[in-house]
Amino acid sequence: DAKTTQPNSMESNEEEPVHLPCNHSTISGTDYIHWYRQLPSQGPEYVIHGLTSNVNNRMASLAIAEDRKSSTLILHRATLRDAAVYYCILFSGNTPLVFGKGTRLSVIA
Amino acid sequence: DSGVTQTPKHLITATGQRVTLRCSPRSGDLSVYWYQQSLDQGLQFLIQYYNGEERAKGNILERFSAQQFPDLHSELNLSSLELGDSALYFCASSGRQGPHTGELFFGEGSRLTVL
Repeated sequence: DAKTTQPNSMESNEEEPVHLPCNHSTISGTDYIHWYRQLPSQGPEYVIHGLTSNVNNRMASLAIAEDRKSSTLILHRATLRDAAVYYCILFSGNTPLVFGKGTRLSVIA
Repeated sequence: DSGVTQTPKHLITATGQRVTLRCSPRSGDLSVYWYQQSLDQGLQFLIQYYNGEERAKGNILERFSAQQFPDLHSELNLSSLELGDSALYFCASSGRQGPHTGELFFGEGSRLTVL
């Protein structure tokens, strides 16, 4: 499986933007970049995914580097409810999602 | 609410026992996945079923088995339980729109404690 590298933890102030980085230098041409998050005591929750172009939805934005070797999940205004573990996952469609350790985001009021 | 229902939410049992965890996928979803989350291992994929057939297998122990029934609900059976089996077990579903796009919907999990 192509691997991703994320910082173990990050901290943000409430109402500030948050940029969560992910490196995936061995990404293949057919790999989609997926982001999930897991709030405390809950199951993982889909956030966003993309292939080559930047993507926006109601939860977040996904910025994908031109060479696709890295991506950034952007939360435009962090709230206390956004404190969670964020997982960056490569998905090719042939195998189930494989979760790594993710980035634990803390939001400070 | 993801639409995926898991029961029971909590379960405490003893070593050597057998338990069954149940999952009802979102209406219309054909794929069901089981994941195990423990403190030291993170989220580990166990097994996937698609429309009643096993589709993919991950790090599932031989003491564990699963099946998906004609009504698409799934059960995960854990037997000869050991202390190390204590974990959160998540079920997820996908497939309402047809081919798997990678978007999974997770239930709230079943917390198993083996004493």
